[in-house]
Order: sequence, then structure tokens, then C-alpha cells
Amino acid sequence: AQKITQTQPGMFVQEKEAVTLDCTYDTSDPSYGLFWYKQPSSGEMIFLIYQGSYDQQNATEGRYSLNFQKARKSANLVISASQLGDSAMYFCAMRERKDSSYKLIFGSGTRLLVRP
Amino acid sequence: ETGVTQTPRHLVMGMTNKKSLKCEQHLGHNAMYWYKQSAKKPLELMFVYNFKEQTENNSVPSRFSPECPNSSHLFLHLHTLQPEDSALYLCASSQDPGSGANVLTFGAGSRLTVL
Repeated sequence: AQKITQTQPGMFVQEKEAVTLDCTYDTSDPSYGLFWYKQPSSGEMIFLIYQGSYDQQNATEGRYSLNFQKARKSANLVISASQLGDSAMYFCAMRERKDSSYKLIFGSGTRLLVRP
Repeated sequence: ETGVTQTPRHLVMGMTNKKSLKCEQHLGHNAMYWYKQSAKKPLELMFVYNFKEQTENNSVPSRFSPECPNSSHLFLHLHTLQPEDSALYLCASSQDPGSGANVLTFGAGSRLTVL
């Protein structure tokens, strides 16, 4: 079964508008973490934002915010005021404990294209 | 040099060749990782090293052989690969894999093509 699901293979957004990238997850671990990474065409995965399962408030980092709905098991990324440089692949990932270590599991990604 | 550096960025090899991918991190992290990114598939964790000790081998075929001589360097030795091994191989490092917000810092990847 999929642990991390990103249902949008591709998204378009107009420059300067906001966009939401969806992510749902499945875990029985009460202590988990959720991450979003950006991968531009250069290949490097760039960390954007983190949300812990016990965090009371939604995480924010500049133009990025994470809409964390624990009961729905969703952790959507919101990018405000989109810029052309935001065009990239975006991956949602979940850290959960397995045996005595933590594993980071990635979704299949969403390709975002920002239109001028 | 800063961050995580991977070399070579591109590699083409035949199925009978032996080659190595190199990763170096300048962040003072204790853990290093190899991930495989194939087309249309999520990133797959291959190996994890924590303080030079291998702590994770995610059922990776023996034709991939990792080596971690110290906390700053990680190698992936390749031999008798198959065409389906063609992928982007990403190296990452982190401070402490046992901590909460264990943020991985990734390199730019080595694009491998097996002919």
C-alpha cells in the first residue's frame, strides 16, 4: 500500500498566484514527520519545509506553508506568490520509525509549471 | 566546497564495466545515504551509514557495493550492472537519523546510463 500519495502528476499556476500541491499519507506510527522537497531540473533535492506530527501549528517558511490536517492525514504544500523559478518537481516525504531507525519515504512527485 | 558534492554527474557504462560513484559532504553530518531515482518511480532508499557503520541495506542487489571510509565520504561501487539500473543516484547526508526533524541534504545526483 502507498504510504505517501501525491495525486497530481502535473500542475500549472500563473505567476504571482498561489498554488496547493496535495499530499496524503498513511502511517500507524504516532510520532512521524512530514517533509516537502523541491527538485529543479538540475537534479538536486532541496528541502523546503517540515511538519512534526505533534506540532500544533502549521509550518511556514517564507512563501511556503504546510496545510497539515492530521485527522485527514493530509499535508498539502501551499506556495504563495508563485515565481518562474518555482517550476520544478515537488516531493512529499514522511519519516516514520521502522524497527530501531527512521525511514524517509517519498511520494511520486508533482511537476509544477509556473506560467509567465 | 559546501553542501553535498557528487561525482561524476553523468556516467555511461557497459554491463561488464566496473565504476564508482563518489559523494562528499562538507556539513559535518554523521549520516550518509544513497537513493535511487528511476523514471516514474518514487525515490528508493538503498543504503544508510551512520558514523561510518552501515545501518540500512534496503534489499539492494550485490552488484551495488557501498563504501563509507569516514563520515564525510561515501562511495557506490558498480559492477556488472543491468540496463534497468539506469537512473539518477542521489547521495544525501544528515546530522542524526534518530532525531525528529532529520532533514536530509542532497547532492545534485549522478545520472547513470547502463548500455
